[in-house]
Amino acid sequence: NAGVTQTPKFQVLKTGQSMTLQCAQDMNHEYMSWYRQDPGMGLRLIHYSVGAGITDQGEVPNGYNVSRSTTEDFPLRLLSAAPSQTSVYFCASSRVEGAEDTQYFGPGTRLTVL
Amino acid sequence: AQKITQTQPGMFVQEKEAVTLDCTYDTSDPSYGLFWYKQPSSGEMIFLIYQGSYDQQNATEGRYSLNFQKARKSANLVISASQLGDSAMYFCAMVIKAAGNKLTFGGGTRVLVKP
Repeated sequence: NAGVTQTPKFQVLKTGQSMTLQCAQDMNHEYMSWYRQDPGMGLRLIHYSVGAGITDQGEVPNGYNVSRSTTEDFPLRLLSAAPSQTSVYFCASSRVEGAEDTQYFGPGTRLTVL
Repeated sequence: AQKITQTQPGMFVQEKEAVTLDCTYDTSDPSYGLFWYKQPSSGEMIFLIYQGSYDQQNATEGRYSLNFQKARKSANLVISASQLGDSAMYFCAMVIKAAGNKLTFGGGTRVLVKP
Protein backbone atom coordinates (compact mmCIF):
# COMPACT_ATOMS: atom_id res chain seq x y z
CA ASN A 1 0.00 0.00 0.00
CA ALA A 2 1.62 3.23 -1.18
CA GLY A 3 -0.56 5.70 0.80
CA VAL A 4 0.93 9.20 0.50
CA THR A 5 4.23 9.45 -1.35
CA GLN A 6 6.55 12.45 -1.57
CA THR A 7 9.55 13.12 -3.77
CA PRO A 8 12.31 13.99 -3.34
CA LYS A 9 13.24 12.99 0.21
CA PHE A 10 16.05 15.54 0.38
CA GLN A 11 16.81 18.63 -1.68
CA VAL A 12 19.37 21.42 -1.53
CA LEU A 13 18.68 24.61 -3.46
CA LYS A 14 20.45 27.89 -3.93
CA THR A 15 18.64 31.12 -3.22
CA GLY A 16 16.50 32.10 -6.20
CA GLN A 17 16.20 28.62 -7.68
CA SER A 18 12.81 27.10 -8.31
CA MET A 19 11.59 23.58 -7.75
CA THR A 20 8.50 21.46 -7.32
CA LEU A 21 7.88 19.09 -4.44
CA GLN A 22 5.76 16.16 -5.56
CA CYS A 23 2.95 14.57 -3.58
CA ALA A 24 0.70 11.72 -4.64
CA GLN A 25 -1.89 9.56 -2.89
CA ASP A 26 -3.64 6.41 -4.02
CA MET A 27 -6.54 6.42 -1.57
CA ASN A 28 -8.91 8.53 -3.69
CA HIS A 29 -8.91 11.23 -1.01
CA GLU A 30 -10.50 14.52 -1.95
CA TYR A 31 -8.58 16.57 0.61
CA MET A 32 -4.85 17.17 0.26
CA SER A 33 -2.62 19.65 2.01
CA TRP A 34 0.93 20.83 2.46
CA TYR A 35 2.55 21.64 5.81
CA ARG A 36 5.97 22.87 6.76
CA GLN A 37 7.80 22.00 9.96
CA ASP A 38 10.57 24.26 11.16
CA PRO A 39 13.07 23.00 13.76
CA GLY A 40 11.52 22.42 17.18
CA MET A 41 8.06 23.44 16.05
CA GLY A 42 4.77 21.93 15.06
CA LEU A 43 3.48 21.79 11.50
CA ARG A 44 1.95 24.82 9.83
CA LEU A 45 -0.45 24.69 6.92
CA ILE A 46 0.78 26.16 3.62
CA HIS A 47 -1.94 25.32 1.08
CA TYR A 48 -4.75 22.85 0.82
CA SER A 49 -7.21 21.46 -1.71
CA VAL A 50 -10.66 19.95 -1.30
CA GLY A 51 -10.74 18.45 -4.78
CA ALA A 52 -9.39 18.66 -8.28
CA GLY A 53 -9.34 22.25 -9.50
CA ILE A 54 -9.90 23.72 -6.01
CA THR A 55 -7.09 25.11 -3.87
CA ASP A 56 -6.86 27.61 -1.03
CA GLN A 57 -4.28 29.21 1.22
CA GLY A 58 -3.37 28.09 4.69
CA GLU A 59 -1.50 29.87 7.45
CA VAL A 60 1.85 30.42 5.66
CA PRO A 61 1.22 30.53 1.87
CA ASN A 62 3.70 33.22 0.80
CA GLY A 63 6.38 31.98 -1.59
CA TYR A 64 4.50 28.84 -2.57
CA ASN A 65 2.11 27.91 -5.38
CA VAL A 66 -0.07 24.84 -5.76
CA SER A 67 -2.42 23.36 -8.31
CA ARG A 68 -4.64 20.28 -8.32
CA SER A 69 -5.28 18.92 -11.77
CA THR A 70 -6.03 15.35 -10.60
CA THR A 71 -7.37 13.76 -7.43
CA GLU A 72 -4.10 11.89 -6.93
CA ASP A 73 -1.48 14.64 -7.23
CA PHE A 74 -0.87 17.88 -5.36
CA PRO A 75 2.51 19.45 -6.22
CA LEU A 76 3.99 22.35 -4.27
CA ARG A 77 6.05 24.88 -6.23
CA LEU A 78 8.69 27.20 -4.90
CA LEU A 79 9.16 29.88 -7.55
CA SER A 80 12.22 31.60 -6.06
CA ALA A 81 13.64 29.77 -3.06
CA ALA A 82 14.74 31.73 0.00
CA PRO A 83 16.71 30.57 3.07
CA SER A 84 13.57 31.12 5.16
CA GLN A 85 12.00 28.23 3.25
CA THR A 86 14.50 25.78 4.69
CA SER A 87 12.21 23.32 6.40
CA VAL A 88 10.71 19.85 6.31
CA TYR A 89 7.63 19.68 4.10
CA PHE A 90 4.83 17.22 4.69
CA CYS A 91 1.97 16.38 2.38
CA ALA A 92 -1.22 14.94 3.86
CA SER A 93 -4.50 13.58 2.53
CA SER A 94 -7.89 12.57 3.88
CA ARG A 95 -11.51 12.27 2.90
CA VAL A 96 -13.40 15.55 3.00
CA GLU A 97 -16.43 14.74 5.06
CA GLY A 98 -16.24 15.36 8.79
CA ALA A 99 -13.34 15.84 11.17
CA GLU A 100 -13.40 12.20 12.18
CA ASP A 101 -10.94 11.25 9.54
CA THR A 102 -7.33 11.10 10.41
CA GLN A 103 -4.99 12.67 7.95
CA TYR A 104 -2.46 10.42 6.31
CA PHE A 105 0.95 12.02 6.12
CA GLY A 106 3.68 11.42 3.61
CA PRO A 107 7.26 10.76 4.78
CA GLY A 108 8.35 14.38 4.28
CA THR A 109 10.84 16.28 2.13
CA ARG A 110 13.78 17.92 3.85
CA LEU A 111 14.62 21.13 1.95
CA THR A 112 17.70 23.27 2.52
CA VAL A 113 18.05 26.63 0.80
CA LEU A 114 21.56 28.07 0.80
CA ALA B 1 -8.74 31.58 15.53
CA GLN B 2 -8.03 28.26 17.14
CA LYS B 3 -4.88 27.64 19.14
CA ILE B 4 -3.17 24.58 20.59
CA THR B 5 -0.75 24.83 23.52
CA GLN B 6 1.64 22.17 24.74
CA THR B 7 3.45 23.53 27.77
CA GLN B 8 5.95 20.69 28.28
CA PRO B 9 8.87 21.06 25.87
CA GLY B 10 10.48 17.84 27.07
CA MET B 11 10.21 15.14 29.67
CA PHE B 12 11.83 11.96 30.87
CA VAL B 13 9.88 8.87 31.83
CA GLN B 14 11.06 5.58 33.25
CA GLU B 15 10.42 2.50 31.15
CA LYS B 16 7.16 0.72 32.11
CA GLU B 17 5.77 3.81 33.84
CA ALA B 18 2.87 5.92 32.60
CA VAL B 19 3.32 9.44 31.27
CA THR B 20 0.83 12.26 30.67
CA LEU B 21 1.39 14.83 27.97
CA ASP B 22 -0.54 18.06 28.36
CA CYS B 23 -2.52 19.78 25.63
CA THR B 24 -4.88 22.72 25.96
CA TYR B 25 -6.84 24.24 23.12
CA ASP B 26 -8.79 27.36 22.42
CA THR B 27 -11.75 27.59 20.08
CA SER B 28 -15.22 29.05 20.16
CA ASP B 29 -16.56 26.48 17.71
CA PRO B 30 -18.64 23.74 19.33
CA SER B 31 -17.73 21.07 16.77
CA TYR B 32 -14.09 20.09 16.56
CA GLY B 33 -11.71 17.17 16.73
CA LEU B 34 -8.48 16.65 18.60
CA PHE B 35 -5.60 14.47 17.46
CA TRP B 36 -2.32 13.23 18.82
CA TYR B 37 0.56 12.41 16.51
CA LYS B 38 3.92 10.81 17.25
CA GLN B 39 7.04 11.84 15.37
CA PRO B 40 10.03 9.55 15.97
CA SER B 41 13.56 10.57 15.09
CA SER B 42 13.03 9.16 11.60
CA GLY B 43 10.66 12.07 10.99
CA GLU B 44 7.35 10.55 9.90
CA MET B 45 4.06 11.65 11.46
CA ILE B 46 2.22 8.72 13.04
CA PHE B 47 -1.45 9.09 14.01
CA LEU B 48 -2.12 7.88 17.57
CA ILE B 49 -5.60 8.82 18.69
CA TYR B 50 -8.61 11.02 17.93
CA GLN B 51 -11.29 12.61 20.11
CA GLY B 52 -14.38 14.36 18.77
CA SER B 53 -15.88 17.23 20.71
CA TYR B 54 -19.22 15.45 20.99
CA ASP B 55 -17.80 12.07 21.94
CA GLN B 56 -19.16 11.04 25.30
CA GLN B 57 -16.29 8.77 26.25
CA ASN B 58 -12.57 9.35 26.29
CA ALA B 59 -10.80 7.80 23.33
CA THR B 60 -8.48 4.85 23.84
CA GLU B 61 -6.15 3.06 21.43
CA GLY B 62 -4.09 0.31 22.98
CA ARG B 63 -1.62 1.93 25.40
CA TYR B 64 -2.80 5.40 24.44
CA SER B 65 -5.73 7.16 26.05
CA LEU B 66 -6.95 10.70 25.76
CA ASN B 67 -8.09 12.47 28.91
CA PHE B 68 -10.65 14.85 27.43
CA GLN B 69 -11.89 17.59 29.77
CA LYS B 70 -14.13 19.75 27.62
CA ALA B 71 -14.90 22.43 30.21
CA ARG B 72 -11.20 22.96 30.84
CA LYS B 73 -10.42 22.71 27.11
CA SER B 74 -7.76 20.12 27.68
CA ALA B 75 -6.97 16.91 25.81
CA ASN B 76 -4.08 15.22 27.56
CA LEU B 77 -2.47 12.09 26.15
CA VAL B 78 -1.70 9.27 28.56
CA ILE B 79 0.78 6.61 27.51
CA SER B 80 0.69 3.61 29.81
CA ALA B 81 3.58 1.18 30.37
CA SER B 82 6.12 3.26 28.47
CA GLN B 83 8.50 1.49 26.12
CA LEU B 84 11.85 2.59 24.75
CA GLY B 85 10.22 2.92 21.34
CA ASP B 86 7.93 5.62 22.74
CA SER B 87 10.84 8.07 22.74
CA ALA B 88 9.74 10.69 20.21
CA MET B 89 8.13 14.09 19.71
CA TYR B 90 4.41 14.16 20.36
CA PHE B 91 2.09 16.70 18.79
CA CYS B 92 -1.44 17.65 19.71
CA ALA B 93 -3.55 19.00 16.85
CA MET B 94 -7.08 20.23 16.25
CA VAL B 95 -9.53 20.56 13.38
CA ILE B 96 -12.63 22.71 13.34
CA LYS B 97 -15.39 20.93 11.45
CA ALA B 98 -16.80 24.12 9.98
CA ALA B 99 -13.36 24.99 8.61
CA GLY B 100 -12.73 21.66 6.90
CA ASN B 101 -9.80 19.36 7.52
CA LYS B 102 -7.17 21.98 8.31
CA LEU B 103 -5.01 20.87 11.22
CA THR B 104 -3.63 23.32 13.77
CA PHE B 105 -0.67 21.91 15.68
CA GLY B 106 0.83 22.59 19.06
CA GLY B 107 4.57 23.04 19.50
CA GLY B 108 5.14 19.47 20.60
CA THR B 109 6.57 17.62 23.60
CA ARG B 110 9.73 15.53 23.40
CA VAL B 111 9.57 12.34 25.42
CA LEU B 112 12.64 10.31 26.32
CA VAL B 113 12.06 6.90 27.88
CA LYS B 114 14.84 5.76 30.19
CA PRO B 115 15.62 2.05 30.63
